[in-house]
Amino acid sequence: GAVVSQHPSWVICKSGTSVKIECRSLDFQATTMFWYRQFPKQSLMLMATSNEGSKATYEQGVEKDKFLINHASLTLSTLTVTSAHPEDSSFYICSAWRLGASSYNEQFFGPGTRLTVL
Amino acid sequence: KNEVEQSPQNLTAQEGEFITINCSYSVGISALHWLQQHPGGGIVSLFMLSSGKKKHGRLIATINIQEKHSSLHITASHPRDSAVYICAVRSGSGGSNYKLTFGKGTLLTVNP
Repeated sequence: GAVVSQHPSWVICKSGTSVKIECRSLDFQATTMFWYRQFPKQSLMLMATSNEGSKATYEQGVEKDKFLINHASLTLSTLTVTSAHPEDSSFYICSAWRLGASSYNEQFFGPGTRLTVL
Repeated sequence: KNEVEQSPQNLTAQEGEFITINCSYSVGISALHWLQQHPGGGIVSLFMLSSGKKKHGRLIATINIQEKHSSLHITASHPRDSAVYICAVRSGSGGSNYKLTFGKGTLLTVNP
């Protein structure tokens, strides 16, 4: 089946630093990738939708200058948490949407990145 | 009220029992996903369905569009089925309009 990878799987950083998280679709092209955030015991919440070659669409309440998304190719999207603060500590999950030739489409999830900001 | 409601929130079962997890939603959808999230967080997509019923191994998912309700069944449950099961509904027409709304999940613990 289709695989989505994330790197790193976990990261601990000091407050004020920036952290980049990569999301890759390993065996398919993803025109659309999604970034989610999950706080403990909460639902996944969509942060932004990124389409290859265009600007990401952010959900209400998500600061686009703080969470920079770059979807540079059909297999790679990156999320950069700039000037991270302890309240940004969370589990970040990406997913990629494969649009098949027969219009059959599926969404595949990455394993997630746990960010801890000290 | 959340757009996607799951029940129960927590479920403990003995190995071998038949498990049912329910999902109700209040919005119009194009499809519904059942996802499995293991401790450590990684998510696996179990089913995507827009009508009827799907079966994969010991897992069965059904959906009733008119009643806006879906169920996930696990037959002959096993301790390795212990995980959080998440219902997510898909709305939007695709591309940047496509969106998943998630339930809070059901924590299933299967004891040996």
